[in-house]
Amino acid sequence: AQSVTQLGSHVSVSEGALVLLRCNYSSSVPPYLFWYVQYPNQGLQLLLKYTTGATLVKGINGFEAEFKKSETSFHLTKPSAHMSDAAEYFCAVSVNSGNTPLVFGKGTRLSVIA
Amino acid sequence: DVKVTQSSRYLVKRTGEKVFLECVQDMDHENMFWYRQDPGLGLRLIYFSYDVKMKEKGDIPEGYSVSREKKERFSLILESASTNQTSMYLCASSPQLAGRNEQYFGPGTRLTVT
Repeated sequence: AQSVTQLGSHVSVSEGALVLLRCNYSSSVPPYLFWYVQYPNQGLQLLLKYTTGATLVKGINGFEAEFKKSETSFHLTKPSAHMSDAAEYFCAVSVNSGNTPLVFGKGTRLSVIA
Repeated sequence: DVKVTQSSRYLVKRTGEKVFLECVQDMDHENMFWYRQDPGLGLRLIYFSYDVKMKEKGDIPEGYSVSREKKERFSLILESASTNQTSMYLCASSPQLAGRNEQYFGPGTRLTVT
């Protein structure tokens, strides 16, 4: 069975600082990995995904994530935080099947301090 | 763009009432999902469906039922609402393609049961 662990339920950074949100997964087969963002009182929006190929994946709003198989990690980064990045971020994993749900982590709330 | 719509953004119901939450997607996706989201607990899967008239229990199906009579519509039913069902409810849909099964979310329904 797959699982996702997001380290830190709440991360706080200064505006302009590096954003690093951690995600580790457990999967017995090669995974597909996703990051979603949720702004207050809204649904989740796909930020980026890794399926196969290049391990560094670029997403929307300047975010990127790197798939590291040896570390079973898929950490999300952004070089310079903006106030508008304040939101909740969810990591998710899927396996090679089209009709099973994604498995989500519990989320990390990102605060950006001016 | 994929669009997932939910019938209400905010809903207030009384204990014991029967509650219907409707979800419609316009991208001909095979899979549809219902989640509830509570602070500190992340997303919890209630039910999902991978085909018309098919349903599968998720992690927390107790107190809920679902209906999928048409491909584009997936309804969540609270047979007798209780105060512990006060929550944010999120609907999602996805195609049934391995590696392409990222989920698209609606804006959510915030349900309060008094």
